Amino acid sequence: AQTVTQSQPEMSVQEAETVTLSCTYDTSESDYYLFWYKQPPSRQMILVIRQEAYKQQNATENRFSVNFQKAAKSFSLKISDSQLGDAAMYFCAYQRGGSQGNLIFGKGTKLSVKP
Amino acid sequence: EAGVAQSPRYKIIEKRQSVAFWCNPISGHATLYWYQQILGQGPKLLIQFQNNGVVDDSQLPKDRFSAERLKGVDSTLKIQPAKLEDSAVYLCASSSTQGATVGAFFGQGTRLTVV
Repeated sequence: AQTVTQSQPEMSVQEAETVTLSCTYDTSESDYYLFWYKQPPSRQMILVIRQEAYKQQNATENRFSVNFQKAAKSFSLKISDSQLGDAAMYFCAYQRGGSQGNLIFGKGTKLSVKP
Repeated sequence: EAGVAQSPRYKIIEKRQSVAFWCNPISGHATLYWYQQILGQGPKLLIQFQNNGVVDDSQLPKDRFSAERLKGVDSTLKIQPAKLEDSAVYLCASSSTQGATVGAFFGQGTRLTVV
């Protein structure tokens, strides 16, 4: 069975600085997708960034980028120029490719941003 | 484009009572998910529909939980009778047939408190 592990329950960053959130996963499949979701206090899960496993190039979305290490099964999220609005729970998620597999989530990392 | 709609936002019930949650996915999305998120944890899949058929309900406590998706659009999740450990946020999400490449879109969730 696939598993997703986020080893940092809480992280803190100063406004305008950079922070990296860690995620590792375990799978025997070769075709899959990885995601980072943000969950603010409003509870709605917001998709931040996605990565297709077959792509070697790391995904980037504005201030958010990932470091995808397929052999190491690592998928970290880097937030640059952190803003107060980035404060939230961040969840790493795995979805197998092909058929409509469901999302498997890690336990999350609570990010605080200090002004 | 309207997002995933869920109601109610909050619900408080006594143990052994019944409760129902409603979800309206994004128009045209064939896949619908119900997730349970217990405080401090990542979301866990309860059931996944493809149109009006069940794809995965392996983690649904079928002795008390039921779900249906009539006509392949709206969905209802029911708990009867509720237990204290059912207190959680219930998230509905949807994705298109190409959803594996873009991830799932989530509603704002229903926070259930069982007292």
